[in-house]
Amino acid sequence: KAGVTQTPRYLIKTRGQQVTLSCSPISGHRSVSWYQQTPGQGLQFLFEYFSETQRNKGNFPGRFSGRQFSNSRSEMNVSTLELGDSALYLCASSPGQVHETQYFGPGTRLLVL
Amino acid sequence: AQKITQTQPGMFVQEKEAVTLDCTYDTSDQSYGLFWYKQPSSGEMIFLIYQGSYDEQNATEGRYSLNFQKARKSANLVISASQLGDSAMYFCAMRGLTQGGSEKLVFGKGTKLTVNP
Repeated sequence: KAGVTQTPRYLIKTRGQQVTLSCSPISGHRSVSWYQQTPGQGLQFLFEYFSETQRNKGNFPGRFSGRQFSNSRSEMNVSTLELGDSALYLCASSPGQVHETQYFGPGTRLLVL
Repeated sequence: AQKITQTQPGMFVQEKEAVTLDCTYDTSDQSYGLFWYKQPSSGEMIFLIYQGSYDEQNATEGRYSLNFQKARKSANLVISASQLGDSAMYFCAMRGLTQGGSEKLVFGKGTKLTVNP
């Protein structure tokens, strides 16, 4: 099976702009989770989508949002970008039932100038 | 709330030797899962090994084994016969329940492993 794919891999934006990141899960996986990784805060949970519904959200401001499509592909949007949003954004997929391993994609490196 | 502690920011090992990466955790859950992921400089998080809290035997996956000591709340990763390609960041993670009843991974700060030739 193909792994989790994320596009784009690299992105440079300026403050105030918005950005959309895309994640395609492993075939058959219905759950997609998003994580932000920064040197200072480490890996932090953003949100999880399952069957087109957000199941839960981490402690991030409302500028961070996401959605999931019927084919389980997910997008994450960040509006009004701030310098602190510069990070590696990782998405992970799993079948969606409890106690299952999450498999990660290669990540999108976002730089906000 | 779940918490993962990795006390070794960096570790060095000679090629072909074994190395242990430490991980301790804190949770009030009776049922939980512990994971180790490898992150090369490319950024991708690669799943290595999983241990369930009710698993009686330590998990093994090829050269990776997990030394699970439930009473001490530790889940150390042992890499045998280190290879140059093992040089990477290693993250210990715990599966935690969110308020909505779904699950998320809680990660430690990571350990940077360097394998010397």
